[in-house]
Amino acid sequence: QQQVKQSPQSLIVQKGGISIINCAYENTAFDYFPWYQQFPGKGPALLIAIRPDVSEKKEGRFTISFNKSAKQFSLHIMDSQPGDSATYFCAAASSGGSYIPTFGRGTSLIVHP
Amino acid sequence: GAVVSQHPSRVICKSGTSVKIECRSLDFQATTMFWYRQFPKQSLMLMATSNEGSKATYEQGVEKDKFLINHASLTLSTLTVTSAHPEDSSFYICSASYLSRETQYFGPGTRLLVL
Repeated sequence: QQQVKQSPQSLIVQKGGISIINCAYENTAFDYFPWYQQFPGKGPALLIAIRPDVSEKKEGRFTISFNKSAKQFSLHIMDSQPGDSATYFCAAASSGGSYIPTFGRGTSLIVHP
Repeated sequence: GAVVSQHPSRVICKSGTSVKIECRSLDFQATTMFWYRQFPKQSLMLMATSNEGSKATYEQGVEKDKFLINHASLTLSTLTVTSAHPEDSSFYICSASYLSRETQYFGPGTRLLVL
């Protein structure tokens, strides 16, 4: 059973465009929602994270939007750059589960120059 | 801060041999370390969770006798793939956290190829 559903599987965006990746979860016990960025051959790196007490969090060009009632959250990358080309994973975790994340399947983002 | 290293970055071995992968937290004490496995173009699969000084907790379907995990100190965890076979070829990634805090810091990964 996939507890965190991520879409799309792949995404192609022109430089300067907006990249949007969506995730949905089922377990209402989740209370921490991080996004990870992974370049080929490297480990994931935490990009940005949100807790359900806020509906939006912005860090530079990256924004998480969170809809608690719909159990959905999304990552928006503004002014997308070729250097943003990577695989992005959403995840969900709970304090009761020692914050061990359940990962989405990943989105391969390609930003064309 | 919060840097996690892995060694080696890649290893090639013959079928039947054992391979040890080290995971170190360089600038913090990792009370919990995690080991993941990742196949090409797929997500991360948690293999086991280890707390310093205690036995690792393995996820369902992960053979604990094949994937030996030792978390001997607050800065070092090792994963030993025993009697490796070609199907064990994968990308192994460790991560570390401090005092059950929500952030996990991932290592750069180890590419294992078993011939």
